[in-house]
Amino acid sequence: SQQGEEDPQALSIQEGENATMNCSYKTSINNLQWYRQNSGRGLVHLILIRSNEREKHSGRLRVTLDTSKKSSSLLITASRAADTASYFCATDLGAGTGNQFYFGTGTSLTVIP
Amino acid sequence: EADIYQTPRYLVIGTGKKITLECSQTMGHDKMYWYQQDPGMELHLIHYSYGVNSTEKGDLSSESTVSRIRTEHFPLTLESARPSHTSQYLCASRQAYEQYFGPGTRLTVT
Repeated sequence: SQQGEEDPQALSIQEGENATMNCSYKTSINNLQWYRQNSGRGLVHLILIRSNEREKHSGRLRVTLDTSKKSSSLLITASRAADTASYFCATDLGAGTGNQFYFGTGTSLTVIP
Repeated sequence: EADIYQTPRYLVIGTGKKITLECSQTMGHDKMYWYQQDPGMELHLIHYSYGVNSTEKGDLSSESTVSRIRTEHFPLTLESARPSHTSQYLCASRQAYEQYFGPGTRLTVT
């Protein structure tokens, strides 16, 4: 089974609203990252949060991490139509696991103009 | 955009054919990865490499093989394509904590 699961699977909001997506994982992590994928393209790194951090901001993005619950959330504030994409969390378990990332199932976000 | 390239972008091929998906990066990264992405979006690691002459299988069993003769090049080969290989294939390289992805190859086996 996959390391990360995300919910909701799909989210549709109006432009200007906030979008929140959640990620749960199963084992201890070194860090957690969020990636974005536009339709038909590769993934693009958005933000990284280390296991000893609780919250991180980057522009309109806010990420939280709760290691006791093994969960993370990504908040996109004041959404724009250009934010329409799929969003994935990825857990990095550290060098002992072959430097592999484990990706979640993804949340498909649609922002309606 | 990251300097990582995949060719072809789209490929439709018949069952039993041998195919090679190309992946190249110009960033000098040692670690490279191949993922298979389902229609339902989940990514599965099928191969990775720590550097030249290093290759490992990922968590998803795959009938493909890879090679890493040069740092910048990490091709994936299917000796005999089957309809079950129909998927999106994503190549990535890694620098520190971040992975950089290519645009992907969408493979359809008929």
